[in-house]
Amino acid sequence: EVQLLESGGGLVQPGGSLRLSCAASGFTFNSYAMSWVRQAPGKGLEWVSYITSSGGNTYYADSVKGRFTISRDNSKNTVYLHMNSLRDEDTAVYYCASYTRAFDYWGQGTLVTVSS
Amino acid sequence: DIVMTQTPLSSPVTLGQAASISCRSSQSLVNSDGNTYLSWLQQRPGQPPRLLIYKISNRFSGVPDRFSGSGAGTDFTLKISRVEAEDVGVYYCTQAKQFPITFGQGTRLEIK
Repeated sequence: EVQLLESGGGLVQPGGSLRLSCAASGFTFNSYAMSWVRQAPGKGLEWVSYITSSGGNTYYADSVKGRFTISRDNSKNTVYLHMNSLRDEDTAVYYCASYTRAFDYWGQGTLVTVSS
Repeated sequence: DIVMTQTPLSSPVTLGQAASISCRSSQSLVNSDGNTYLSWLQQRPGQPPRLLIYKISNRFSGVPDRFSGSGAGTDFTLKISRVEAEDVGVYYCTQAKQFPITFGQGTRLEIK
C-alpha cells in the first residue's frame, strides 16, 4: 500500500523558516518524481514545487521561487520542502504527491500557519 | 502560464443522475511527445485530493467506471454517469504540459 506521510508543519512567525518532510512507502520511491501542492484555508489547490526522480531537476511556482527549496533523499525515501522568509500568504495545508502519469498518490497534508 | 477554467463552479445533482464538468485550458495541452497531460482530481470533504483520470481519459487504479474523461486540445470534460452520495466533493482539472503546473478553480458537486 502506497503511503505518503507529511510532517514538520506548525505555527511560525512571518519571516521564519520551516522544513517539511514527506516519508514515502509502498512504492519504488527513486523511480517517482515528487511534488508539493498547497491549499490555503477554504481555497483551491496551488502547485508549489516539483523534483525529478533523481533529484537532478527542480521546479518552483513563482510565488515561492527563491524562498523555498525542494530536495529528496532516496536512501531515506523522503522528500523535503525547506521554506524560508515565510509570509502570511504561505499559510496552507501542504500536501506531498508522487508524480508519474499525474499526481498519483497524495499524503494527508501538514498545516503551516504563518502568523505573528 | 496555462490558465485552467472550469465550469460550472457548483453543480447540484440528483442521486443516480449524470453530472458533467468542463475544463478549458488557455492553450493546447498536447505535448511534444504526443501526450496530453490533463488529469482530474477529486477532493472529498476533509480529505486530500485523489487522482481519478490521467491523460484525458485513463481511469486511475480503483476508480469506478462511472467516471469518464474526454476531450482534446483545449477542451475537456469529466462525466459521472450515475452520481452516488460518495461523489460529493470538489473536482479539479490540472495540466502538466509545462511548468508551472496549474489547476482549475474547482467544481463543487453537491446532492440536490
